[in-house]
Amino acid sequence: DIRMTQSPASLSASLGETVNIECLASEDIYSDLAWYQQKPGKSPQLLIYNANSLQNGVPSRFSGSGSGTQYSLKINSLQSEDVATYFCQQYNNYPYTFGAGTKLELK
Amino acid sequence: QVTLKESGPGILQPSQTLSLTCSFSGFSLSTYGMCVGWIRQSSGKGLEWLANIWWNDDKYYNPSLKNRLTISKDTSNNQAFLKITNMDTADTATYYCARSGMDYSSYIYYWYFDFWGPGTMVTVSS
Repeated sequence: DIRMTQSPASLSASLGETVNIECLASEDIYSDLAWYQQKPGKSPQLLIYNANSLQNGVPSRFSGSGSGTQYSLKINSLQSEDVATYFCQQYNNYPYTFGAGTKLELK
Repeated sequence: QVTLKESGPGILQPSQTLSLTCSFSGFSLSTYGMCVGWIRQSSGKGLEWLANIWWNDDKYYNPSLKNRLTISKDTSNNQAFLKITNMDTADTATYYCARSGMDYSSYIYYWYFDFWGPGTMVTVSS
């Protein structure tokens, strides 16, 4: 199975700040990577797919980048509604695997 | 508008079989390229993909659950199902179904999940 190592596990940031979350795959996943946002008590929502494509309706302050084994999610100008847990997922190979999540809180 | 909703027993005893239903609208599993997957989330193991079923009845399972999983569909009623045998307390989790499939503007498959149901909580306890 492809292991997805996500960092940091938790993050505290101020409104308006820029935040970066990293995801490292145990092998090349050829940009077959998605990022999801999950708010408490809700299901995950797709933010980014194919490493850098923004899902319809997602604010442009979210962006994804990376290739090979290293990927990142960037949130520009942090808003209060961005408080959530963020997960990466690889879909290059079965079984699909997820990162352990990054819990983002406001400072 | 795409929606999915999971339903299940809520609570069951160890060794019992879990039966889950995913009822969806806004797409059809008889349409070329469509897929429904099951994912679970527990505090101990985070998000774990379980199985996918495609429009052509192709099925993929997570080997970590070995032969305990069976995924199926009822296209006439827009439903997908997941059975897990021999449930254990470690299977206590929220179970989600989600859509994957094809971008019909380009006829390119996608394997990420673009719509998720709200989830159903399953507790295994004696």
